[in-house]
Amino acid sequence: GQNIDQPTEMTATEGAIVQINCTYQTSGFNGLFWYQQHAGEAPTFLSYNVLDGLEEKGRFSSFLSRSKGYSYLLLKELQMKDSASYLCAVKDSNYQLIWGAGTKLIIKP
Amino acid sequence: TAGITQAPTSQILAAGRSMTLRCTQDMRHNAMYWYRQDLGLGLRLIHYSNTAGTTGKGEVPDGYSVSRANTDDFPLTLASAVPSQTSVYFCASSVEASSTDTQYFGPGTRLTVL
Repeated sequence: GQNIDQPTEMTATEGAIVQINCTYQTSGFNGLFWYQQHAGEAPTFLSYNVLDGLEEKGRFSSFLSRSKGYSYLLLKELQMKDSASYLCAVKDSNYQLIWGAGTKLIIKP
Repeated sequence: TAGITQAPTSQILAAGRSMTLRCTQDMRHNAMYWYRQDLGLGLRLIHYSNTAGTTGKGEVPDGYSVSRANTDDFPLTLASAVPSQTSVYFCASSVEASSTDTQYFGPGTRLTVL
């Protein structure tokens, strides 16, 4: 079966750094996506990785290791507005997105 | 630009009734998708369409049907609603269904079936 695992909830302090991990087992791999979803809103795209390594985009970075079936999303200089759920998703061999249940990130002042 | 719109925003529906959730995009994207999101679960694909005139079944298609008469519209129909279809429904679109294409989401429809 196909499976995406990520922690259910994490707590971090404003101004700090947090790393959200994602492990996956899918039938085929055509890229890994991270989305941000604020409560009651739609998911919005954050990052895409298809090759091993780190992709940096401002305060957010995403890392991928295909051999380990592992990715992480790194958020720096946390702000209160970063309180949201972060969704990890993998495109399988049929180009369909398989989604993790999401990690709820709580930022404390 | 509007992007993707969905209607209605929310709905309470009696079990056994039918309903169509509407989705329209103005980005001329070829691929469109319907997902449901339930607490504690990841987004699950209901149906998809890679291009106008074609549709396919996702992970949880039972009880739902779709059509894709043109590029812009992708309605989702529940023929006879059941309480287990209570969920938040998101429509999404992408330029193509290929690996690099990002999916963009509509604001969602919150459906309660009683």
